[in-house]
Amino acid sequence: AQKITQTQPGMFVQEKEAVTLDCTYDTSDQSYGLFWYKQPSSGEMIFLIYQGSYDEQNATEGRYSLNFQKARKSANLVISASQLGDSAMYFCAMRETDNYGQNFVFGPGTRLSVLP
Amino acid sequence: EAQVTQNPRYLITVTGKKLTVTCSQNMNHEYMSWYRQDPGLGLRQIYYSMNVEVTDKGDVPEGYKVSRKEKRNFPLILESPSPNQTSLYFCASRRGGVMGETQYFGPGTRLLVL
Repeated sequence: AQKITQTQPGMFVQEKEAVTLDCTYDTSDQSYGLFWYKQPSSGEMIFLIYQGSYDEQNATEGRYSLNFQKARKSANLVISASQLGDSAMYFCAMRETDNYGQNFVFGPGTRLSVLP
Repeated sequence: EAQVTQNPRYLITVTGKKLTVTCSQNMNHEYMSWYRQDPGLGLRQIYYSMNVEVTDKGDVPEGYKVSRKEKRNFPLILESPSPNQTSLYFCASRRGGVMGETQYFGPGTRLLVL
């Protein structure tokens, strides 16, 4: 079974609007971490935001926020006020505590296109 | 500047010709990993290392080898490459001990095996 599911292969959003990228995960660990990365067309992986399983508040970093719903096992990324430079692939990833926390699993990604 | 470097960035080779992709980090990180990225599959972990001389298999280790003789370097070796190893490869490193510590990724190596 997929540990990380991103059901939206592609998304479009109008510039200046908000967009939500979905991520659901599957784990039996109580302690785990969820990460979002951005991959622009140039190929590098850019860390955006982190949410710990015990964090009570949703994580925020500038225009990025994470809508964490632990009971539903979802960790959706919200980008507010989209910019053209936000066009990229976005990956959700989970780190579990098994095996010294070396299990780092990525979802298949969502390609976001921001329209002018 | 804190960074992870990989070389080469682009490589075209033929089936069966041994190759090595180098990875080096200057952040004194304990943990290092190799991933391959394929369309629709995201990144999948090939091998990882928790410290010098400590390595272990990830999810897709077949056809790859690694070594960790020094803390900063973690080369990926393809002894006999095959076309199904055509992919985009990333090396990553991170500090140990902190769940929220992100991985720092290298720029990627695009490999084409003919």
